[in-house]
Amino acid sequence: AQKVTQAQTEISVVEKEDVTLDCVYETRDTTYYLFWYKQPPSGELVFLIRRNSFDEQNEISGRYSWNFQKSTSSFNFTITASQVVDSAVYFCALSGANTGNQFYFGTGTSLTVIP
Amino acid sequence: DAGVIQSPRHEVTEMGQEVTLRCKPISGHDYLFWYRQTMMRGLELLIYFNNNVPIDDSGMPEDRFSAKMPNASFSTLKIQPSEPRDSAVYFCASSQGPGLMNTEAFFGQGTRLTVV
Repeated sequence: AQKVTQAQTEISVVEKEDVTLDCVYETRDTTYYLFWYKQPPSGELVFLIRRNSFDEQNEISGRYSWNFQKSTSSFNFTITASQVVDSAVYFCALSGANTGNQFYFGTGTSLTVIP
Repeated sequence: DAGVIQSPRHEVTEMGQEVTLRCKPISGHDYLFWYRQTMMRGLELLIYFNNNVPIDDSGMPEDRFSAKMPNASFSTLKIQPSEPRDSAVYFCASSQGPGLMNTEAFFGQGTRLTVV
């Protein structure tokens, strides 16, 4: 079974604080992909990053960084020095090689950055 | 490319009426997905297509829902008859494949459907 769990429903931080959004996944596939999407208040879903199961290198893009750990089935997302524009709902998603090209989404974490 | 294009952006209809949502995927993308988003149920996959063929429609809630993809550049999601509980934001997304399976999906801006 494919499952993505985002245990944090809502998070509030003060601007410039760092924040980590947790994502834990379950899959029987040996080859799979993990994704993060951002949904700002305007409603669109914006792709942020894709990671495949055989590449555990962490990635940094500006203030964003991702920590993929197969040992704990986690793919966490950290925003450094948060800004008000980071306020959004963030979704983690999983796609497995043996489940066609379906994307399984977590329930999302609503992040509010307080000025 | 303009991205995934959905129309209309907003739709308000009366219960019992037929509703048709439209989607134009990104050119060259072989996979097309229809999702529904509500506060209660989050993002739900309704159906997805590969090369215009429906692969999995197990997420379609009822026979009132139907989806078609007559060609690589167009898909529709139809609800007939519509009910208030169908009110949601409906997203269309597309991704590359089959040789590049499991690449990211790009989403349209969604159609906000309100059934009164």
